[in-house]
Amino acid sequence: NAGVTQTPKFRVLKTGQSMTLLCAQDMNHEYMYWYRQDPGMGLRLIHYSVGEGTTAKGEVPDGYNVSRLKKQNFLLGLESAAPSQTSVYFCASSYSKAGWTAEAFFGQGTRLTVV
Amino acid sequence: GNSVTQMEGPVTLSEEAFLTINCTYTATGYPSLFWYVQYPGEGLQLLLKATKADDKGSNKGFEATYRKETTSFHLEKGSVQVSDSAVYFCALRSGGGADGLTFGKGTHLIIQP
Repeated sequence: NAGVTQTPKFRVLKTGQSMTLLCAQDMNHEYMYWYRQDPGMGLRLIHYSVGEGTTAKGEVPDGYNVSRLKKQNFLLGLESAAPSQTSVYFCASSYSKAGWTAEAFFGQGTRLTVV
Repeated sequence: GNSVTQMEGPVTLSEEAFLTINCTYTATGYPSLFWYVQYPGEGLQLLLKATKADDKGSNKGFEATYRKETTSFHLEKGSVQVSDSAVYFCALRSGGGADGLTFGKGTHLIIQP
């Protein structure tokens, strides 16, 4: 059982380039999330989705776009990368029926460096 | 809004020492509380959770009790090992749960042999 899988694991971008991070989960979870982790800042929510075809903004959405065309996949896009987007990105998913008691399952992370 | 405050590290202990990592929270309603652990180069793993007041979560020798009166969820372990070295995150989830978890900034724990 793979759980939550993120692709790629590492990437270096030049300022202004674009890229898409892919998250796939095989647990049939309705809810999916993208977080970024920065030193001394913990994890901050970028965008989230409560189901196929739906997305919503989190705490730090600027500079990112997302899409959830299939239930198992959640894509995070950077249209024009900036050095401030250098971070480790984590995707997570959780089961909606458990509501506020549900744990989130995390991927292994993507380390992105923008130069 | 929701927020989580936890002691910032690094926290350095000797093997077999007693561990406490403090966590307090602010939330609307009655949240669920979580401790996650992140080993070097890996994603976050759930360590334990508690979903209502006075619940005690426990796993791998770690414990935390949901204290509504003090809005706290402190993590404890009686005897730490070198393998416990990691970053520990306190988190909460409230409301319908759709908008994810709110995390503290993390506490880096270093256990020396």
